[in-house]
Amino acid sequence: ETGVTQTPRHLVMGMTNKKSLKCEQHLGHNAMYWYKQSAKKPLELMFVYNFKEQTENNSVPSRFSPECPNSSHLFLHLHTLQPEDSALYLCASSQGAGDIEQYFGPGTRLTVT
Amino acid sequence: GQNIDQPTEMTATEGAIVQINCTYQTSGFNGLFWYQQHAGEAPTFLSYNVLDGLEEKGRFSSFLSRSKGYSYLLLKELQMKDSASYLCAVRDLEGGYNKLIFGAGTRLAVHP
Repeated sequence: ETGVTQTPRHLVMGMTNKKSLKCEQHLGHNAMYWYKQSAKKPLELMFVYNFKEQTENNSVPSRFSPECPNSSHLFLHLHTLQPEDSALYLCASSQGAGDIEQYFGPGTRLTVT
Repeated sequence: GQNIDQPTEMTATEGAIVQINCTYQTSGFNGLFWYQQHAGEAPTFLSYNVLDGLEEKGRFSSFLSRSKGYSYLLLKELQMKDSASYLCAVRDLEGGYNKLIFGAGTRLAVHP
């Protein structure tokens, strides 16, 4: 595996479900990010982790809970989501936080019913 | 506040040249990026400008004017595979951290 991978690629969940999104980077980077991309809206930064420490939480509701066990893995735990949370969730990594180039994963298309 | 504007949609003809504009307002400007995103795929890095002027990379060039808060991405010799969304993003230094702020993207359709 190379680059940034995300699983699952598609997820449909009810509002009472609990699920997790997984991101893994094989680039030896130290920073990882979660972004949300809704239809016709800009990419929104959700969380930033640098050397496993969360350095940014962009006023994200607590129903989204990130976890970064090491520099290569990043999770986004989801519970009691709302239909408006349906979006493409993109993971990215970079050598350091705020580095010039971020490498994006293919995303997880989430639908909340 | 922070604001990034770019046209929602553009169309162009194969073999032609197209310019996608981006204007921005940020308090701690620290660089501007262009990303390409094909439908259903991840954004991929195209270019980075931090100083005024033109950066050329093959068929793609990116221009920055910091005093005007303006950038453009120039695509030459358009190919059908260039049909994609083009995202303008500004790196903003806020609270000691750099964060990337994205525009909504410009969807480019290239026709034969």
